[in-house]
Amino acid sequence: KAGVTQTPRYLIKTRGQQVTLSCSPISGHRSVSWYQQTPGQGLQFLFEYFSETQRNKGNFPGRFSGRQFSNSRSEMNVSTLELGDSALYLCASSWGTGTSGKNEQYFGPGTRLTVT
Amino acid sequence: QKEVEQNSGPLSVPEGAIASLNCTYSDRVSQSFFWYRQYSGKSPELIMSIYSNGDKEDGRFTAQLNKASQYVSLLIRDSQPSDSATYLCAVNRIGGFKTIFGAGTRLFVKA
Repeated sequence: KAGVTQTPRYLIKTRGQQVTLSCSPISGHRSVSWYQQTPGQGLQFLFEYFSETQRNKGNFPGRFSGRQFSNSRSEMNVSTLELGDSALYLCASSWGTGTSGKNEQYFGPGTRLTVT
Repeated sequence: QKEVEQNSGPLSVPEGAIASLNCTYSDRVSQSFFWYRQYSGKSPELIMSIYSNGDKEDGRFTAQLNKASQYVSLLIRDSQPSDSATYLCAVNRIGGFKTIFGAGTRLFVKA
């Protein structure tokens, strides 16, 4: 079974631009979560989607947004990029509805975003 | 107080030894606990999940959970140089739809 895929793998943008990242979950997985990983802050939760609905959102500014499509694929968008947005953006998918808490997540390879 | 705390390390152990990684969490309603391994430049890889108090063994890995003490640990037996990585503890609660990760513990296994 194919794993989680993310595109693009690397991206260089200029401050002020916007960017869209894509994530395709493991077949059958309906939940997709996004994380930002930086050396200083570690792995920070951005948001989680299930059946096209955002169920939770982390403490990030409104410049960070996302959506999920009917086929469970997800995108996240960052507008008005800042230098501090440079990070590894990770997508993770899981089976569950999350109501049982047994939310084993499987990560994609990530998108390395550099803002100059 | 951080929601999930881990000793950042680095933890250095000789090859063949037992590596012990610890994690504490603050939310008493947490129900699910996970250990991920992350090699440098790679994404996290799930290695263990545990939901009930006690021990859970999988090969060389044993996860231990004590909900009363809000403590979860990972033991790696017969440590190998290939186990050298950052180990992330993660916690989830029922209906929270959000997994909180610790900052990770760097493990070095010396040959």
